[in-house]
Amino acid sequence: AQSVSQHNHHVILSEAASLELGCNYSYGGTVNLFWYVQYPGQHLQLLLKYFSGDPLVKGIKGFEAEFIKSKFSFNLRKPSVQWSDTAEYFCAVNPSGYSTLTFGKGTMLLVSP
Amino acid sequence: DADVTQTPRNRITKTGKRIMLECSQTKGHDRMYWYRQDPGLGLRLIYYSFDVKDINKGEISDGYSVSRQAQAKFSLSLESAIPNQTALYFCATSDTGTVGGDTQYFGPGTRLTVL
Repeated sequence: AQSVSQHNHHVILSEAASLELGCNYSYGGTVNLFWYVQYPGQHLQLLLKYFSGDPLVKGIKGFEAEFIKSKFSFNLRKPSVQWSDTAEYFCAVNPSGYSTLTFGKGTMLLVSP
Repeated sequence: DADVTQTPRNRITKTGKRIMLECSQTKGHDRMYWYRQDPGLGLRLIYYSFDVKDINKGEISDGYSVSRQAQAKFSLSLESAIPNQTALYFCATSDTGTVGGDTQYFGPGTRLTVL
């Protein structure tokens, strides 16, 4: 079965700092990759997804992620975080041909003003 | 996302009680899912359904059952609730017609506490 590993459980940054959240998956075939965000007290929302083409994917709110197939990675980045980016971030994988998502355990990001 | 609704939003119950969580969607999607979220464990899939006649167990189905009453409705039941089922429960939907991956859309969640 596939698995998803998020390296950092908690990240604390100051506003304007750059962000990179790591995500690795274990599956040898073709995959679809997702980043979801959960703001405090809210449900999960899609930030961005990769399924084919350009491995650098741009999402909402200035986020982007890069798919590196050789490293089985899909790291999330933002050049300059804001206080409103405080949330929990989940990486998820959906191997092509499968119909369910496997989620990582999440990374809690706290941005201090 | 208002297109996916869950009731109740909060529920406190006692050990041994039967409880049902309901999910409705107006997105017209054929696939529906139930997850539980626990701190530090992320989301884990309980059950999923690809259409009204299709029900599948997920990673952690023990102690749970589901019913797909219609394309738009998918309910989760705890036949005899126990304290370690205290969690945040999310319903999600997706569309087989989605190009490039099974993007799922989540409801607002139900916070369940079993005493």
